[in-house]
Amino acid sequence: GENVEQHPSTLSVQEGDSAVIKCTYSDSASNYFPWYKQELGKRPQLIIDIRSNVGEKKDQRIAVTLNKTAKHFSLHITETQPEDSAVYFCAEQGATNKLIFGTGTLLAVQP
Amino acid sequence: EAGVTQFPSHSVIEKGQTVTLRCDPISGHDNLYWYRRVMGKEIKFLLHFVKESKQDESGMPNNRFLAERTGGTYSTLKVQPAELEDSGVYFCASSQAHMNTEAFFGQGTRLTVV
Repeated sequence: GENVEQHPSTLSVQEGDSAVIKCTYSDSASNYFPWYKQELGKRPQLIIDIRSNVGEKKDQRIAVTLNKTAKHFSLHITETQPEDSAVYFCAEQGATNKLIFGTGTLLAVQP
Repeated sequence: EAGVTQFPSHSVIEKGQTVTLRCDPISGHDNLYWYRRVMGKEIKFLLHFVKESKQDESGMPNNRFLAERTGGTYSTLKVQPAELEDSGVYFCASSQAHMNTEAFFGQGTRLTVV
């Protein structure tokens, strides 16, 4: 069945360091991979997404890489800041249109 | 432009009672989704409306859950009768297109069944 595994579940980094969150998926028909950030008490918000015809996408300090052969994609945050602290969810969307989410990663950036 | 709004933000009910959650999507978004996050787990799909029609309800846990979207605007999700395992945060999301496009989330309704 459709499944997304996300690691790590918690991640603590020092301000200025990089953070990497990894996800693997099982549906070979998946073609859209968004990343959502949820700050405490707020709604999940899209921070970056990637489509299956692209291997890498970057937006300022945030980048996402996709390996369709291996069925995994990763979120990279460079020069982390305290305001990056949040829960991050990866997701994939395939032929069924619904988003399948990972279990989330709680990122804590220590000042 | 107003975002996706959900009401109430919190609800505490006793086991066996009924609760109705409401979602107002972004105006013009035909696609409306309901998701649920049980503590510490993934955000799990419940169902998908396209306008007023149920496109996919494969994630609905059982027949105690009933979703409607009369008129293709706002949607309601009713849980009757509520059980302890129904506790969690219920999210609504909407999007213009159904594929490869951003889904905008509401702030969620935290449901606690005691």
